[in-house]
Amino acid sequence: QKEVEQNSGPLSVPEGAIASLNCTYSDRGSQSFFWYRQYSGKSPELIMFIYSNGDKEDGRFTAQLNKASQYVSLLIRDSQPSDSATYLCAVDGAGSYQLTFGKGTKLSVIP
Amino acid sequence: NAGVTQTPKFQVLKTGQSMTLQCAQDMNHNSMYWYRQDPGMGLRLIYYSASEGTTDKGEVPNGYNVSRLNKREFSLRLESAAPSQTSVYFCASSETPLGEKLFFGSGTQLSVL
Repeated sequence: QKEVEQNSGPLSVPEGAIASLNCTYSDRGSQSFFWYRQYSGKSPELIMFIYSNGDKEDGRFTAQLNKASQYVSLLIRDSQPSDSATYLCAVDGAGSYQLTFGKGTKLSVIP
Repeated sequence: NAGVTQTPKFQVLKTGQSMTLQCAQDMNHNSMYWYRQDPGMGLRLIYYSASEGTTDKGEVPNGYNVSRLNKREFSLRLESAAPSQTSVYFCASSETPLGEKLFFGSGTQLSVL
C-alpha cells in the first residue's frame, strides 16, 4: 500500500512569513510529485510539480525534492492571507495511472 | 472555457436508491478519473479511464460502476446507494497519459440517508 504522509496542521504563519509544508512517501519507485491547493469547499488545483531532485521555483512557490530521503516539500514565500487553504501532496505510482494523495495540510496565514 | 463540468452539485439519496454522476471535459484530454474525498481520508481514486473505451478500478471501486461514453464524458453510477458512500465526489481529467496533472471539476456533495 503506497502511503503519502502529511502533517494535518493547522499550520499558522503570520502574513509575510515563509510557510513550509512537508510530505513523505513510501514508494521508492515514484518519479513525479505534485502539490495541489484546495480552498474550503472548492476543488483541488495544481500549483507545483517536480520530477528531479533539488529545488523548483515558480513565483512565491518553491518545491523541493529529496528522493533519497523520500521527502518533498513546498515553501511559500511572503505568505498572504489568500494562501490560506489545504495543500495536498500527491505522488505517482511508478508508472501506474494512479496518484496517491496525502490527507493534506491546512495552512492559515494570519494578517 | 468550462474545463471539467460535473452534475449535479448536490444530491441527497435514500439508502438503496441509484443515481448517476455526470462529468464532461472540453480540454480534449484522454484520461479521466473519479475521486471521492472524505474528512480525514484524503482523495481516493474510485475508477479511471486512461483512454476512450477503457476503464479500470482504482483504490475504492466497490459499489460503483463507470461508463466512458466518449472522449469527453465519463459517468459514475451508484446502483444501490449506502450511507458509506456519503462523500464529495470529484471528476478529473488529465493532459498526460499517466494522469499526473489533474484538472478537477467543482465536485458533487452526495448524502445517503
